[in-house]
Amino acid sequence: DAGVTQSPTHLIKTRGQQVTLRCSPISGHKSVSWYQQVLGQGPQFIFQYYEKEERGRGNFPDRFSARQFPNYSSELNVNALLLGDSALYLCASIPEVGEAFFGQGTRLTVV
Amino acid sequence: GEDVEQSLFLSVREGDSSVINCTYTDSSSTYLYWYKQEPGAGLQLLTYIFSNMDMKQDQRLTVLLNKKDKHLSLRIADTQTGDSAIYFCAEIPPGNTPLVFGKGTRLSVIA
Repeated sequence: DAGVTQSPTHLIKTRGQQVTLRCSPISGHKSVSWYQQVLGQGPQFIFQYYEKEERGRGNFPDRFSARQFPNYSSELNVNALLLGDSALYLCASIPEVGEAFFGQGTRLTVV
Repeated sequence: GEDVEQSLFLSVREGDSSVINCTYTDSSSTYLYWYKQEPGAGLQLLTYIFSNMDMKQDQRLTVLLNKKDKHLSLRIADTQTGDSAIYFCAEIPPGNTPLVFGKGTRLSVIA
């Protein structure tokens, strides 16, 4: 059984560009959440999706958007990148109840 | 504001026990988690405890929960150098809201 997979693992973008990050949850998990982890901090919640619908949104600007597909995979999009968007972006795969499993993350560097 | 609080650093000698403490925000939180993060990696779920439990043991790991004081601890017996990492405490507050993380405790194991 595959774990949570995220792609790409590393990414370098220039300020003002747009980026799309991808996540495939564990088979059978219908909920996906996205988190941003800035160096030296704990992960901060960005979005939660369940059955293709947005269930929650953290305190992030509208430049951040996401969606979930019928196969429960998800994409996180960030427009007009800023230097401060440099972080590790983590995807969590969540069953109906219980453990939340994380992928290895996508490390985004904005230069 | 709501914060999950952890001490930032802990240093122990190899073979000793480590105790990492956490104070969470909501006494109604349903699940409480401990994650481990090694340098450059994602979050590895170590263990979790339901809010109706006081203790959970899993091999070298013991989790203690004091709901009255909203205090959670993780004890690692016979700490090894491979246990050196950052440990995050996280809670799921009521209402199926997302995970709320502390800032993490950096555990250093001295050989």
